[in-house]
Amino acid sequence: QKEVEQDPGPLSVPEGAIVSLNCTYSNSAFQYFMWYRQYSRKGPELLMYTYSSGNKEDGRFTAQVDKSSKYISLFIRDSQPSDSATYLCAMMGGNEKLTFGTGTRLTIIP
Amino acid sequence: GAVVSQHPSWVICKSGTSVKIECRSLDFQATTMFWYRQFPKQSLMLMATSNEGSKATYEQGVEKDKFLINHASLTLSTLTVTSAHPEDSSFYICSARPPGLVGAFFGQGTRLTVV
Repeated sequence: QKEVEQDPGPLSVPEGAIVSLNCTYSNSAFQYFMWYRQYSRKGPELLMYTYSSGNKEDGRFTAQVDKSSKYISLFIRDSQPSDSATYLCAMMGGNEKLTFGTGTRLTIIP
Repeated sequence: GAVVSQHPSWVICKSGTSVKIECRSLDFQATTMFWYRQFPKQSLMLMATSNEGSKATYEQGVEKDKFLINHASLTLSTLTVTSAHPEDSSFYICSARPPGLVGAFFGQGTRLTVV
């Protein structure tokens, strides 16, 4: 079993829709939970991070963590074509190493 | 936000030659940097942790003699792919974490093609 599981998609939604991206994990030592966006042939870009269970909002993006279920989500409201990218969840314990999900390819259709 | 710069962004080399990739933290000092490899449509695979002033720590299965890492200063780490072969063709990405911040910042990546 992988430490971090993420549905690879691909996921296609119409412009303006709400997008839900999810990851599950098995390692209880993970303390920080991050979402990265990666455009084709580019390095990942940090979108958001959370530390504890609950929600964190930044503009159109909301990150949600449920430590009891070992489940994290990223919601994108009013999705735009520029949101089309691969979204990677990442988790970190005390050793600074990031463990990534496989990434979900998202396409927003104008 | 913190900036990590990687150079070159792409390189083509002949089989058997060596290639050096640079990773620089432009606006912060990084005692630790990380090197990843990414195959098409796959996630990032951590290759090694680069430690300033000491030896790098390699992940299981990564050949340390093939992927030489040097972290000679607090703002520069280099990855040298020695005696490159076509199977080494991949996207290599470095990252660093600014002190006091959560989450790593990544370079632009280097696409290596060995012919």
